[in-house]
Amino acid sequence: DVKVTQSSRYLVKRTGEKVFLECVQDMDHENMFWYRQDPGLGLRLIYFSYDVKMKEKGDIPEGYSVSREKKERFSLILESASTNQTSMYLCASTAMGSNYGYTFGSGTRLTVV
Amino acid sequence: GQQLNQSPQSMFIQEGEDVSMNCTSSSIFNTWLWYKQDPGEGPVLLIALYKAGELTSNGRLTAQFGITRKDSFLNISASIPSDVGIYFCAGQLTTSGTYKYIFGTGTRLKVLA
Repeated sequence: DVKVTQSSRYLVKRTGEKVFLECVQDMDHENMFWYRQDPGLGLRLIYFSYDVKMKEKGDIPEGYSVSREKKERFSLILESASTNQTSMYLCASTAMGSNYGYTFGSGTRLTVV
Repeated sequence: GQQLNQSPQSMFIQEGEDVSMNCTSSSIFNTWLWYKQDPGEGPVLLIALYKAGELTSNGRLTAQFGITRKDSFLNISASIPSDVGIYFCAGQLTTSGTYKYIFGTGTRLKVLA
């Protein structure tokens, strides 16, 4: 069964900490995405990547960065966590040329205290 | 960032009832997708639509790609308790040139047994 795996289901971090959210896919997909999900706001795109070492800003990149050193792994970094970054974070991937939408991970619920 | 207008935001229905939800946009899309997110999980693709006017079913679910290419609806017939969750529409712009999808804000469905 093909998968997008997010390393943590739940995380609690302190304000100011540097936080790493990891995502790995086993489908050899070129495209990977990070979204955050908040009630009433739906899914908002933070960053995406079309290839190794490539990254592009989404709609809400402020306070975040990403790393894609290998094709299968896409990491989201919160440089200095703040309470307004408490959210559900979803990783997704899709193959180049595919119009079958994304495969999502199960999400990481991050709480910043 | 752009988002789709999805309605209703939430609905409580009795088991056995039919459910209808829709998404509208001011932009033209070349693909419409419908996802379901179970509590604590990532969204899972239910139905994909690729042509204006297309009507596609998946079990008790039926979705249509609007003729104007600016809207889509999802119907669930004879709802059951496991239909509970958040339903998202997603559209791919014709001019995006990328594999980015725009997501609706979600419809939260609760089914009363």
